[in-house]
Amino acid sequence: EVQLLESGGGLVQPGGSLRLSCAASGFTFSSHSMYWVRQAPGKGLEWVSAISGGGHSTNYGDSVRGRFTISRDNSKNTLYLQMNSLRAEDTAVYYCAKGVRGDYDYWGQGALVTVSS
Amino acid sequence: EIVMTQSPATLSVSPGERATLSCRASQSVSSNLAWYQQKPGQAPRLLFYGASTRATGIPARFSGSGSGTEFTLTISSLQSEDFAVYYCQQYNNWPRTFGQGTKVEIK
Repeated sequence: EVQLLESGGGLVQPGGSLRLSCAASGFTFSSHSMYWVRQAPGKGLEWVSAISGGGHSTNYGDSVRGRFTISRDNSKNTLYLQMNSLRAEDTAVYYCAKGVRGDYDYWGQGALVTVSS
Repeated sequence: EIVMTQSPATLSVSPGERATLSCRASQSVSSNLAWYQQKPGQAPRLLFYGASTRATGIPARFSGSGSGTEFTLTISSLQSEDFAVYYCQQYNNWPRTFGQGTKVEIK
């Protein structure tokens, strides 16, 4: 059974940093691109970032490029999102998702990040 | 970036009726389009990929169509469990983008 479990969310002050983790199991982690998608309270889905299976290729949404860094450790079956220079508008539930083709067939339950003073 | 526009924002439908949701891309995404369903407090669930291929376990009352810039998700006879928010997403270009969602509510 595929499982994705996010952790690392919490309350952080504007300008601060936070690192999210997503522990994966039930599939060959290194064979799949992985993604982060976020959802602000009461809002729609926003695509955040992607990383290839080997970790050599990454992509970012315009709103986070230059502030967020996606990475993975295939030996630990874990995906990461390092978030720096956080802003109030980064407040959201952050989902990790498993890629297949270009769509996402499995999603975690999400980690809440709140940016507030 | 490609802008995905969904319509309507809210669709009020009675159980058993047909629901038709639209998704338009600001430029062609070929057939590289997915649909997701999201219920309150839950993660999204993949419904379709490749615009019209049902994901595993998705009932046949759901159908997807379209290519290029115009896409449609149809639910032939709404069941109580289908009332949710539906999102389209293109995966033809970087960055990937989602539509703003269509909420299907009980009439």
